[in-house]
Amino acid sequence: DTGVSQDPRHKITKRGQNVTFRCDPISEHNRLYWYRQTLGQGPEFLTYFQNEAQLEKSRLLSDRFSAERPKGSFSTLEIQRTEQGDSAMYLCASSLGTDVEAFFGQGTRLTVV
Amino acid sequence: ELKVEQNPLFLSMQEGKNYTIYCNYSTTSDRLYWYRQDPGKSLESLFVLLSNGAVKQEGRLMASLDTKARLSTLHITAAVHDLSATYFCAVDSSGPYSGGGADGLTFGKGTHLIIQP
Repeated sequence: DTGVSQDPRHKITKRGQNVTFRCDPISEHNRLYWYRQTLGQGPEFLTYFQNEAQLEKSRLLSDRFSAERPKGSFSTLEIQRTEQGDSAMYLCASSLGTDVEAFFGQGTRLTVV
Repeated sequence: ELKVEQNPLFLSMQEGKNYTIYCNYSTTSDRLYWYRQDPGKSLESLFVLLSNGAVKQEGRLMASLDTKARLSTLHITAAVHDLSATYFCAVDSSGPYSGGGADGLTFGKGTHLIIQP
């Protein structure tokens, strides 16, 4: 399967715990995006990488959120001290170049209890 | 702040009928994307519209972009049950020299489409 891969697919955590998600983009895609989607809403942009550089962060990305993309390949999104409001589907997408569609992964569904 | 509005948000229609989903956005952009999402699944790219007047068609779906009106439409012809899904439009508001993709895409809330046999 050469699509965007995300792990885990589901995560249930207790409030206050830290969680980390992984995204493996399509090989050779230089752009990688993280979005968050809540029930009944469209995805909301969180952050974006071009190769290993994090170029943009949404104001939605509080200090508890951090993302990395070492070596410009896979990316991780970490949420520290999770809150119930963090419960959502976290989607990763990748693209090659500009003005082309981004391909989305299956997402990681986070439930904070 | 860029706003993207879709309407309708919910649509129930019968097979064989035609209908149009509208996507309005609030700031200048000439890059608009349509995605489909099935329940519990991720997003599937349908169309990429990159200029005023762009029209693309795939099967029973046709998308168009009017950048002056800040409006895109997704037209469904002779709907079939398999087209039941949620359809999102997304606008890229970054300028042509920003490297594209910066700021990501701003999505509408989606149109939940049910096509009944």
